[in-house]
Amino acid sequence: GAGVSQTPSNKVTEKGKYVELRCDPISGHTALYWYRQSLGQGPEFLIYFQGTGAADDSGLPNDRFFAVRPEGSVSTLKIQRTERGDSAVYLCASSLGHANTGELFFGEGSRLTVL
Amino acid sequence: AQSVAQPEDQVNVAEGNPLTVKCTYSVSGNPYLFWYVQYPNRGLQFLLKYITGDNLVKGSYGFEAEFNKSQTSFHLKKPSALVSDSALYFCAVRDGPNDYKLSFGAGTTVTVRA
Repeated sequence: GAGVSQTPSNKVTEKGKYVELRCDPISGHTALYWYRQSLGQGPEFLIYFQGTGAADDSGLPNDRFFAVRPEGSVSTLKIQRTERGDSAVYLCASSLGHANTGELFFGEGSRLTVL
Repeated sequence: AQSVAQPEDQVNVAEGNPLTVKCTYSVSGNPYLFWYVQYPNRGLQFLLKYITGDNLVKGSYGFEAEFNKSQTSFHLKKPSALVSDSALYFCAVRDGPNDYKLSFGAGTTVTVRA
């Protein structure tokens, strides 16, 4: 497709389980972001990739969260030992080149529910 | 650190009336300002941005926003609202050219009644 694709769209898991969320950015976009959106709040920055490397991971809340982008395209957000407080919509966005003046293109998000 | 405030959780207007969604920001450097819209079950969509130049910027779907440096505001406006403008609107800011982290406000739900 032409847009940013995120899978799964919905994920329900039990506390303590491991979860992977996938993002397929727009072809050719070198910048990729992960955000988290909790109910009633704006998106909260998690991590930014430029190419294969994480240029800024300062938003990851703790060491249970990790993200990779091994070939500079698809990215996976990994959450270990999930907690109920991790429940949120996880948004992925991409942009062409350096994103500091350009718009971000967002996917529809992956809704994570931790029971 | 940069931050954004959207003082109104909800804005309700009648179709055909002007629409304003308020946003104020705080940055240490020069602000790069954005508005995004989120329709139900859809991803965030870019509306417009201010980087430099004319304080009044025009964007998609007839929206515009005015950058006011003295009031640190970037209010979103539309002269004549449509029912289809009903959505969740987010203001966002970057702290200058070297900041890649886009910080969002909490959002304002706009309802346009027919």
